Formats: sequence, structure tokens, C-alpha cells
Amino acid sequence: GAGVSQSPSNKVTEKGKDVELRCDPISGHTALYWYRQSLGQGLEFLIYFQGNSAPDKSGLPSDRFSAERTGGSVSTLTIQRTQQEDSAVYLCASSLVSGNEQFFGPGTRLTVL
Amino acid sequence: KQEVTQIPAALSVPEGENLVLNCSFTDSAIYNLQWFRQDPGKGLTSLLLIQSSQREQTSGRLNASLDKSSGRSTLYIAASQPGDSATYLCAVPGGASGGSYIPTFGRGTSLIVHP
Repeated sequence: GAGVSQSPSNKVTEKGKDVELRCDPISGHTALYWYRQSLGQGLEFLIYFQGNSAPDKSGLPSDRFSAERTGGSVSTLTIQRTQQEDSAVYLCASSLVSGNEQFFGPGTRLTVL
Repeated sequence: KQEVTQIPAALSVPEGENLVLNCSFTDSAIYNLQWFRQDPGKGLTSLLLIQSSQREQTSGRLNASLDKSSGRSTLYIAASQPGDSATYLCAVPGGASGGSYIPTFGRGTSLIVHP
């Protein structure tokens, strides 16, 4: 594809609901990263996929957060039982291989009421 | 654990000035260093990637240098324009000593170039 795409661009949900955020990486990119950016904060790493290897989940803040990557392409980040502190912009990035230049999507702005 | 610091946190300059943004990191065993810009409400746009074996990279009015031994990188912006106004972030992977490709990001430098 032309670039990394994410959907939805904005999501407003009620506390306690589950949400799914989608990321379509650049075609052929084997590495995919999820980050979170809270208001006034830096980028917080969440999870990293490289090819068919087991993902690095070391950045996930709680067991309410999970992610999968199907067929080595599209990835979905799921947040269960959302809390107000989950409100942030969720960014996805991909690179050709690990350690190469990263390309970011536009992000999904999540607001938990 | 890799730590990345960016100085200054904010910068406001008149159009036409040459600028230097600084990025320092604690673990010098890095694979590469990448500079990004982020416009308000947008994702990150890659500006330059410097491999660990390189000293600098140039793209148009931008020049990034890397001194691995001292744990520093600078982003030089020549003849700044109002369109350069954005937040500039640097990122380095976790450090070869940790074997991680997961980047650590600085908090960024918020740049305003006024006409």
C-alpha cells in the first residue's frame, strides 16, 4: 500500500466497553509496532511483531490489552473493559525488517467517557 | 535500559534562522537513530535514518549527525520556514547490548517558526 493506515481515526466509547483498533502496514513490511501517546506524554511502546515470531508484549500495560497479527499483515489491538486512563492516541508503525526505518500511520484517537 | 533526552523541549524562532536540535542517549550500542516530525493531531513522519556506521545524513535543508561514542545526535535545520513548525522526535532502538529492536523515543522538541 501507499502507507500505513489505521482505523477508525477516532473512537469514543463508554467505560467498560471493549474496543478494537486496526492497523494495515505497508505491504511487505515484516515488522509492526503499536505505541500509545497520551496527552503531553511521549510515545509508549506497547507490542511488537516480527514475521512469524512470537510478539514482544513487554509494553502492554495490563492484561486488558492484547493484539494479534493475521497472515503477517493486518494487526488488531484490542482493549477490554476500557478505562478512562486508556484515552490516548494509538499509533501503529511498520518497517521492512526489524531495526529498519519505521513508517507510522495517522493514529486512532480513543476517548473513554 | 535506553534513555533518550531531547533538548530544548521547546523553541520559538523567526523565519530564516538556522536551528540545531539535540538528542542524547545513554546506551551507545545502537543499530541506528531516526528523526521524525509530528504535526498536531497527526502521526509521525520519518525525516532521516542514520545507521550506526554513519556519521551524518542529509535531506534537503535537514542534516542529522550521529556521534555514537558520546551518545549524541543533532538535527540541523537550515533557513527555517513557518512550515517547519512541528514537534521533532528522535528514536533509537533499545541498544545492541540489550539485543532489542524496540525503539525508545525522546519527548521531542516543539518548534515554532514565526514569519
